[in-house]
Amino acid sequence: EAGVAQSPRYKIIEKRQSVAFWCNPISGHATLYWYQQILGQGPKLLIQFQNNGVVDDSQLPKDRFSAERLKGVDSTLKIQPAKLEDSAVYLCASSLGQGISYEQYFGPGTRLTVT
Amino acid sequence: AQKITQTQPGMFVQEKEAVTLDCTYDTSDQSYGLFWYKQPSSGEMIFLIYQGSYDEQNATEGRYSLNFQKARKSANLVISASQLGDSAMYFCAMRETGTYKYIFGTGTRLKVLA
Repeated sequence: EAGVAQSPRYKIIEKRQSVAFWCNPISGHATLYWYQQILGQGPKLLIQFQNNGVVDDSQLPKDRFSAERLKGVDSTLKIQPAKLEDSAVYLCASSLGQGISYEQYFGPGTRLTVT
Repeated sequence: AQKITQTQPGMFVQEKEAVTLDCTYDTSDQSYGLFWYKQPSSGEMIFLIYQGSYDEQNATEGRYSLNFQKARKSANLVISASQLGDSAMYFCAMRETGTYKYIFGTGTRLKVLA
């Protein structure tokens, strides 16, 4: 079974530029998550999708971050314009559903450096 | 409010010994799930073990077991017979029925010594 795919793995941009990350979850997984993990901290949920609907985006900085999950499969997270404090690893994860027992499967992450 | 606390930023353990990583949580929900994930230096988060709030038995998965004490709101991870490959960051996480939101603790870095 293929795991969660993410691209790119690394990205370096200057502040005020834009960047996009792509995620393809495990086939059949209805729930998709984007996390931001700053060095030395635990992952922080940015947005959660159930199929192609948003379940929770309360911690997504909507003035600069946007995300979509067209057709309920793969997803794109965009930052525009980027700030220095956006430097982090962006993790995508998926799970079968939203039940409390469902573990998440994570992709390898995208390491973003904003200079 | 939903909260996970991991008070040990770093731990050392000798190879082949057992180690306990602490996790306490706070929630007003009666139904919730507790998880432990491992994050090696490569960066990918790996699911280790799950405990449901209504499960009467402590969860076990191979060398991993979860010491669940509901009244104390603690969900400590026990790794038996530590191996060098266990060196990694370990995160405790919780999911409530009400919000379905996952939250993670700040993690504990475990170093296994040869």
